[in-house]
Amino acid sequence: SAVISQKPSRDICQRGTSLTIQCQVDSQVTMMFWYRQQPGQSLTLIATANQGSEATYESGFVIDKFPISRPNLTFSTLTVSNMSPEDSSIYLCSVGTGVLRGYNEQFFGPGTRLTVL
Amino acid sequence: EDQVTQSPEALRLQEGESSSLNCSYTVSGLRGLFWYRQDPGKGPEFLFTLYSAGEEKEKERLKATLTKKESFLHITAPKPEDSATYLCAVGETSYDKVIFGPGTSLSVIP
Repeated sequence: SAVISQKPSRDICQRGTSLTIQCQVDSQVTMMFWYRQQPGQSLTLIATANQGSEATYESGFVIDKFPISRPNLTFSTLTVSNMSPEDSSIYLCSVGTGVLRGYNEQFFGPGTRLTVL
Repeated sequence: EDQVTQSPEALRLQEGESSSLNCSYTVSGLRGLFWYRQDPGKGPEFLFTLYSAGEEKEKERLKATLTKKESFLHITAPKPEDSATYLCAVGETSYDKVIFGPGTSLSVIP
């Protein structure tokens, strides 16, 4: 398994500002993912961030709005830029572990609850 | 198009009343089917991975089964602490990401 921490756990931000969310893993992992979970909804993948390559964004998410860094095998950041109230959500970091293509298991951090006023 | 659906959307059980949650999926090549539990305000907690039809896995009061089109999460004699949202996700063989279903919200009443 993997233990994942996220900072901050929650934040209240003003419209037009940016917030950077940090994700720290207790072991080296190749595959990291960033998700968004809106209230009462399931998880939506924002991007896949593998160390040593550019992040791969899902449809509806762009790098200018959600820039991601992955400087090493235990750390990643997601920035939510030029925020609007529609960005209010829980943002989750996740890692994949295992030996099969992709991974066998996926573990999640506790999430960052973002409110944009 | 790859797709995951879950039913029911919400389930309310009396303590000790066994039941099953359903996850139906459409995917061209199944890499794995994943079950998670999510408590309010927390990240999803990994429960099981199933890889092929006929496979079963158990953990305490939970048992997950897999067919070629769906998976069931059986809950035997549930307790109030089993109350949570249960999420199903599938991975396809040609890419690394998984697709999550909408979840089933389970409430177990004492």
